[in-house]
Amino acid sequence: SYVLTQPPSVSVAPGKTATIACGGNNIGGKSVHWYQQKSGQAPVLVVQHDSDRPSGVSERFSGSNSGNTATLTITRVEVGDEADYYCQVWSSSGGDEWVFGGGTKLTVL
Amino acid sequence: EVQLVESGGGQVKPGGSLRLSCAASGFIFRNYNMNWVRQASGKGLEWVSSISSSSLNRYYSDSVEGRFTISRDNAKNSLFLQMNSLRVDDTALYYCATSITGTTLFDSWGQGVLVTVSS
Repeated sequence: SYVLTQPPSVSVAPGKTATIACGGNNIGGKSVHWYQQKSGQAPVLVVQHDSDRPSGVSERFSGSNSGNTATLTITRVEVGDEADYYCQVWSSSGGDEWVFGGGTKLTVL
Repeated sequence: EVQLVESGGGQVKPGGSLRLSCAASGFIFRNYNMNWVRQASGKGLEWVSSISSSSLNRYYSDSVEGRFTISRDNAKNSLFLQMNSLRVDDTALYYCATSITGTTLFDSWGQGVLVTVSS
């Protein structure tokens, strides 16, 4: 089955830029989606199809995807951005499956 | 506004069964694929199962294949997950989530329902 790898944690100071990586074999050939999950809440889609922002999501959130790494970038980080972030793809190799990365805890220092 | 409300969770012994429900409102249910995603306490998200808008296609993760059955009732705007032969490692918060037909993402989520499998 397809595997997505994320760093367990990323720390950033308020006002700075955070980047969260999501690694997978030739992930650049897949469509990557990103979710934000704040403590005690359900996940929320923040980036879809590699780099598109759903309606209502801050323009500070952006994504890219190439080669073996997809990246979520959050500019001008705010305290309210502190959350777990998950990347997700759909894979058809070996049967249809929806795959999540292990998640990255973003800490705003 | 999209609303997804899960119910049917609870505590059950290993080997037991539970049926989860998800009541949907605020969107045209029959036009969406639907999904179940779970999260064990302190752990990450894990996809469980998906069903197409017409129920024609159903998909399961390897960890639940043969034990769980996903279904839906478009007339009642409801999604279900029948869980049999439950194991301790099925203990998790189970989320219901929508997918716009033709996409592979989860665009709206419920608040989740807790399933605890313990002797």
